[in-house]
Amino acid sequence: SYVLTQPPSVSVAPGQTARITCGGNTIGSKSVCWYLQRPGQAPVLVVYDDSDRPSGIPERFSGSNSGNTATLTISRVEAGDEADYYCQVWDSSSDHTVFGGGTKLTVL
Amino acid sequence: EVQLLESGGGLVHPGGSLRLSCAASGFTFSSYAVSWVRQAPGKGLEWVSGISASGDGTYYADSVKGRFTISRDNSKNMLFLQMNSLRAVDTAVYYCAKDLAAGEEGNYYFDSWGQGTLVTVSS
Repeated sequence: SYVLTQPPSVSVAPGQTARITCGGNTIGSKSVCWYLQRPGQAPVLVVYDDSDRPSGIPERFSGSNSGNTATLTISRVEAGDEADYYCQVWDSSSDHTVFGGGTKLTVL
Repeated sequence: EVQLLESGGGLVHPGGSLRLSCAASGFTFSSYAVSWVRQAPGKGLEWVSGISASGDGTYYADSVKGRFTISRDNSKNMLFLQMNSLRAVDTAVYYCAKDLAAGEEGNYYFDSWGQGTLVTVSS
């Protein structure tokens, strides 16, 4: 089955840029979405189709996808961005949705 | 406002069964694919099962195939998950999640989630 690999943790100072990666075999040929999840809350979709944002998501959240790596970039990081972040793809070869293991973003 | 409200969770013994429900409101339920996603305590998200807008297409994670059955009642705006032969590893919060875009098969981007219902499998 298709596997998505994320770093367990990323740390960044307020106002800086955070980059969270999601690795997968030729993931660039798939459409990727990203969620954030704050403790005790349901996930929130922040990026879909590699780089589109749902309404209400700040422009500070952006995504890219190429080769074997997709990246979620959060610019001008704020304390409120501290959360777990998950990437996700639909694997058409297996008709399965796959999540990455998640990355805990810590704002220093 | 889109709302998804799960129910039916609880404590069950290994080998037992449980039926989860998700009541949907605030959107045309019959136009969207929906899924169940679970999260074991302190762990990440795991997609469990999805169903097409009409209910004709159903999909399962390998970990639950043959034990869980997803279904929907579009006349009542309800989603269900029948869980049989439950194991300790099935212990998790189970979320109902709606697809971002309307369409029979959906794209499995989940733009709305319920608050989840906790299933605990233990003797």
